Amino acid sequence: DVKVTQSSRYLVKRTGEKVFLECVQDMDHENMFWYRQDPGLGLRLIYFSYDVKMKEKGDIPEGYSVSREKKERFSLILESASTNQTSMYLCASSFFQGSNQPQHFGDGTRLSIL
Amino acid sequence: AQKITQTQPGMFVQEKEAVTLDCTYDTSDPSYGLFWYKQPSSGEMIFLIYQGSYDQQNATEGRYSLNFQKARKSANLVISASQLGDSAMYFCAMREEGETSGSRLTFGEGTQLTVNP
Repeated sequence: DVKVTQSSRYLVKRTGEKVFLECVQDMDHENMFWYRQDPGLGLRLIYFSYDVKMKEKGDIPEGYSVSREKKERFSLILESASTNQTSMYLCASSFFQGSNQPQHFGDGTRLSIL
Repeated sequence: AQKITQTQPGMFVQEKEAVTLDCTYDTSDPSYGLFWYKQPSSGEMIFLIYQGSYDQQNATEGRYSLNFQKARKSANLVISASQLGDSAMYFCAMREEGETSGSRLTFGEGTQLTVNP
């Protein structure tokens, strides 16, 4: 089974802090994604990566950056956390090829910025 | 414009009955895929079913089936014989093949399904 592991289920940080959310997958997937989920808005794509050291902006990249130094690991960085970044963050991965390949998700990180 | 629309914020169904969750989409790409995911209260996203735009038959996976009406641009999820464990948030998502590499998905707002005993 595909395993996507997010480093924390719950995280509390303060305004202005630099926050790192880590995601690791064990299925040699080329693609990795970061979403945030807010009530009534569904999942919105922040950033994605289709190869090591490659990254592309999603729909809401402002205030975030990412890092992919190794194929299995994709990190989301909040450079200076703000209260409007309090949300549920979901990491996902998938194979590059194959239109029917679903994305596999981690359990999510509930991040609170105080 | 919204690419994926789920018009039912909440749905209720009696245990053992069938329920249909609506999803409409908007794309000009002739090649695309449609996915349904389930998210229980614990938060994980569980892949349920996939339908490709060129698939001739509606997809089925156990108690889940997809009512795909291409001309209407709808891809409704049908859950038969509902169980209490089906209570969850359900998301419809679309992948457009013309998108840049990365196979990104666009998600709808979700439908909260509650199964009553």
